[in-house]
Amino acid sequence: QKEVEQNSGPLSVPEGAIASLNCTYSDRGSQSFFWYRQYSGKSPELIMFIYSNGDKEDGRFTAQLNKASQYVSLLIRDSQPSDSATYLCAVNHTGTASKLTFGTGTRLQVTL
Amino acid sequence: DAGVIQSPRHEVTEMGQEVTLRCKPISGHDYLFWYRQTMMRGLELLIYFNNNVPIDDSGMPEDRFSAKMPNASFSTLKIQPSEPRDSAVYFCASSFVGVLNTEAFFGQGTRLTVV
Repeated sequence: QKEVEQNSGPLSVPEGAIASLNCTYSDRGSQSFFWYRQYSGKSPELIMFIYSNGDKEDGRFTAQLNKASQYVSLLIRDSQPSDSATYLCAVNHTGTASKLTFGTGTRLQVTL
Repeated sequence: DAGVIQSPRHEVTEMGQEVTLRCKPISGHDYLFWYRQTMMRGLELLIYFNNNVPIDDSGMPEDRFSAKMPNASFSTLKIQPSEPRDSAVYFCASSFVGVLNTEAFFGQGTRLTVV
């Protein structure tokens, strides 16, 4: 079992719709969870992080965390073509706040 | 700050040659990470340093890989000898770790092709 799992996609959504990206993790002691966006040929950049159960909103983005289910998700409202990218979920390791493990990413395509 | 700076951006080398990748972290960051990204395996952590000291090198694939951080502003990742399966994008990232927040800032990466 991979430590951080994501559906590779592509996930295709029409412009203006809500995109829902999901991630599961195996380390029950993980404390912090991150969503990075990576455009093709570019480096990953942080969108959001969350460490408490529930929802965290930032503009069009909402991160959701359920530690009991070991599940974290990212919702993108009013999806735009510029949101088309690969979204990487990252999880820290128990006892090592610095060490992040990344999922392989979900490719999102927002269609006109 | 200019962000994390990596060099070179692209490297093409022949199998068996030594390759050295370089990284300058963001000033004031006390953690430095080397990642490798491939289509098949995604983003893999190779090694990371805290205050210039290697903390975890369990992701380094083989003895052909080595990394150093002689000071707070410079790190290298060396592959000797290189092999075609080492072809990948290598990212360096740095961070300043708070209690729970660990935002890693990535460099632009070095695309390595070993032929």
